[in-house]
Amino acid sequence: QKEVEQDPGPLSVPEGAIVSLNCTYSNSAFQYFMWYRQYSRKGPELLMYTYSSGNKEDGRFTAQVDKSSKYISLFIRDSQPSDSATYLCAMSGGMDSSYKLIFGSGTRLLVRP
Amino acid sequence: EAQVTQNPRYLITVTGKKLTVTCSQNMNHEYMSWYRQDPGLGLRQIYYSMNVEVTDKGDVPEGYKVSRKEKRNFPLILESPSPNQTSLYFCASSLTAFGGRQGHSPLHFGNGTRLTVT
Repeated sequence: QKEVEQDPGPLSVPEGAIVSLNCTYSNSAFQYFMWYRQYSRKGPELLMYTYSSGNKEDGRFTAQVDKSSKYISLFIRDSQPSDSATYLCAMSGGMDSSYKLIFGSGTRLLVRP
Repeated sequence: EAQVTQNPRYLITVTGKKLTVTCSQNMNHEYMSWYRQDPGLGLRQIYYSMNVEVTDKGDVPEGYKVSRKEKRNFPLILESPSPNQTSLYFCASSLTAFGGRQGHSPLHFGNGTRLTVT
């Protein structure tokens, strides 16, 4: 079993839809939760970062962490064609852990005009 | 412009022919890392470096070498490439290696090197 599981998609939605992207994980030591966005032929770029549990909002994007269920989500409101990309979740350990990110395999999102 | 630069972007080679993929960052970052990205497997760490002359194995180091003689450069060396090393490779850097008390330090990625070994 992988430490981080992510549905590969593709997920196809019409412009303006609310998108929900999710990851589950097995390591209860994870404290840092990130979402990276990767456009075709580009490297991943950090989109959202959350420490421990709770929600974080940035414009049309909301990141949610539920540590009790070992489940994280990224919501995109009013989705745009420019949001079409692969979204990778990533996680790392607690205060005294060395920096090691564990990535999900990515969900490909297509927003249709 | 702050960036991580990898070269080449595309490389086709034959089994056994030594090659080097270069990586350079201009952000004075301490931490640098190499990943490979394969369908269904996501990003897997090959090697990382927490500072000059300090390198360590990641999850899939077999068949690869790295060096960190200068802070800005972190080349990936394949001494004898094999077809199972055909992949998309990413170099990444961050300000520091540790989260926790120092806070999260986001990874900055290069645009990738697509390697094909025949």
